[in-house]
Amino acid sequence: AQKITQTQPGMFVQEKEAVTLDCTYDTSDPSYGLFWYKQPSSGEMIFLIYQGSYDQQNATEGRYSLNFQKARKSANLVISASQLGDSAMYFCAMTPIKAAGNKLTFGGGTRVLVKP
Amino acid sequence: DAGVTQSPTHLIKTRGQQVTLRCSPKSGHDTVSWYQQALGQGPQFIFQYYEEEERQRGNFPDRFSGHQFPNYSSELNVNALLLGDSALYLCASSARLAGTGETQYFGPGTRLLVL
Repeated sequence: AQKITQTQPGMFVQEKEAVTLDCTYDTSDPSYGLFWYKQPSSGEMIFLIYQGSYDQQNATEGRYSLNFQKARKSANLVISASQLGDSAMYFCAMTPIKAAGNKLTFGGGTRVLVKP
Repeated sequence: DAGVTQSPTHLIKTRGQQVTLRCSPKSGHDTVSWYQQALGQGPQFIFQYYEEEERQRGNFPDRFSGHQFPNYSSELNVNALLLGDSALYLCASSARLAGTGETQYFGPGTRLLVL
């Protein structure tokens, strides 16, 4: 079984500053993928970034970077230079990498509000 | 390039009724997954379809059933609706690439309200 924990229910961040969203996970699968999604109030889940468990380098996508610490089982998301449009719910998720089936297990989410 | 589409966007039903939700995957994707997201919670996996077969299923009762068509589109059916079925239903599609995490891309969702 897989479990994702996001301990920050909500956060305020000043526009143009960086923010770190925490995510810890637990799994018995030897190979897995970690994801971050953004969900605005409209409801659509927007894919942000992916990290494979055997990737040697931390993933980056534009202003998003993933601080992956395998030994600590953490996959924190860093958003640099926050913008007003970054205000949303953010979900950490994981999936096992195996031959059949790749269901996503989500955490409870962190609500981010960017202040002007 | 069209993304994942879902219909309808909103739906109101009464207890005991049946509902069908529809999803068309992103172009080039062959796998469709369905998730239920209750208010204030993270999405919960319902099931996944690949090659018109249910490949994996989450902890949902048999009232939840699905189908995948030859064009990879999918339907989610819920019978005997309960008040607790009120939620946002998200469809996600992915392309099966061996050895990767098969990133899932989501549609806008269908908001179901059961009265």
